[in-house]
Amino acid sequence: EKVMTQSPDTLSVSPGERATLSCRASQSVSTNLAWYQQKPGQAPRLLIYDASTRATGIPARFSGSGSGTEFTLTISSLQSEDFAVYYCQEYHNWPLFTFGPGTKVNIK
Amino acid sequence: EVQLVQSGVEVKKPGESLKISCKGSGYNFSTYWFAWVRQMPGKGLEWIGIIYPVDSDTRYSPSFQGQVTISADRSISTAYLQWSSLKASDTAVYYCATSSASHIWFDPWGQGTLVTVSS
Repeated sequence: EKVMTQSPDTLSVSPGERATLSCRASQSVSTNLAWYQQKPGQAPRLLIYDASTRATGIPARFSGSGSGTEFTLTISSLQSEDFAVYYCQEYHNWPLFTFGPGTKVNIK
Repeated sequence: EVQLVQSGVEVKKPGESLKISCKGSGYNFSTYWFAWVRQMPGKGLEWIGIIYPVDSDTRYSPSFQGQVTISADRSISTAYLQWSSLKASDTAVYYCATSSASHIWFDPWGQGTLVTVSS
């Protein structure tokens, strides 16, 4: 069973600054990785799939990169609506899935 | 537009049974799998399992195998998650989401069903 880890647990960033979130897989998942954003009281929302493709309607300030076991989600200039929890998810052996534990992005 | 609508809030006692639902609309039902995800209070997302309603092919996370049952009724485009004997530790929000061979990631998601188990 694959294990996904995310770092840091919490990231404090000022509005307008860049945020870099990391996700690591215990074994290679190629580019079979998605990122989700979740705000309090809401369902998660798909941001990125296949490691680097933005989902429909997702602003260009969100970008994903990586392959194999190391992945990064970058938010180029944080807006107030971006403060949330971000989860990575691997789907290398679809229809089996694993989520990472999440990174909370706080206002600094 | 694909939409998922989940059943409402549930408050149950330990030992009781429960079945929650997720109804899909706006798409070809035979294309999509339905997944279930747990989120315990203040915690992260955990994948429970997934079902293909056309043939009821079902897969479970090892962590949830034997703890819950996933089923579906293709005639009404609805998937279900059920427990035979609830525990306090089943208290959580449960989300459904769709996945397919061409759109493997979870999108869209249902609004979530809050299940509270307390004596």
